[in-house]
Amino acid sequence: GAGVSQSPSNKVTEKGKDVELRCDPISGHTALYWYRQSLGQGLEFLIYFQGNSAPDKSGLPSDRFSAERTGGSVSTLTIQRTQQEDSAVYLCASSLVAGGSTYNEQFFGPGTRLTVL
Amino acid sequence: AQKVTQAQTEISVVEKEDVTLDCVYETRDTTYYLFWYKQPPSGELVFLIRRNSFDEQNEISGRYSWNFQKSTSSFNFTITASQVVDSAVYFCALSEAHLSGGYQKVTFGIGTKLQVIP
Repeated sequence: GAGVSQSPSNKVTEKGKDVELRCDPISGHTALYWYRQSLGQGLEFLIYFQGNSAPDKSGLPSDRFSAERTGGSVSTLTIQRTQQEDSAVYLCASSLVAGGSTYNEQFFGPGTRLTVL
Repeated sequence: AQKVTQAQTEISVVEKEDVTLDCVYETRDTTYYLFWYKQPPSGELVFLIRRNSFDEQNEISGRYSWNFQKSTSSFNFTITASQVVDSAVYFCALSEAHLSGGYQKVTFGIGTKLQVIP
């Protein structure tokens, strides 16, 4: 597949459990983004990766949230001790990054719907 | 700081009616990009259009048209002769033109849910 893929598509967990959400970006895309879409809310930026480093993690809502990226490709978003307010759709996007005035579109995956009971 | 406002949270129209989705933005940058994305029930965001702040020319693509007016900081989206397949959530978004920390941060509105009734 040529697009961004995410797994699982749906995840139901109990409050207090840890969850891992996976994102496979488009091959060759060096930039990777995580967003959260809560009911009735827009897309909330969580974290950005350039390669394996995260220059901007300002959107992570608490220290229960962490993310990593390995090999400049796959990324995992981990939520520890999940709470009911973590229930949302978690979207991943990837893009090329270039300098100057070039703009590179973010291509989105289908998202992971997380439900915390 | 960037802000995107989509005042219409939900709109319902009857098939074949025209519908306009409003988007108002705020930015201190003089150079920026504006976008519209479509999110069908499947959940995946589909890119529709990108405009840069120097290009105020309106654009038409089939039944879709966009009206960009810098004077009112608006970037409205019109669907002509709506169809049931147009039912989705539509997001307006804004991005700085310069790279900040190596990327162009995109700010999204909360979305407008459009329901087209057969």
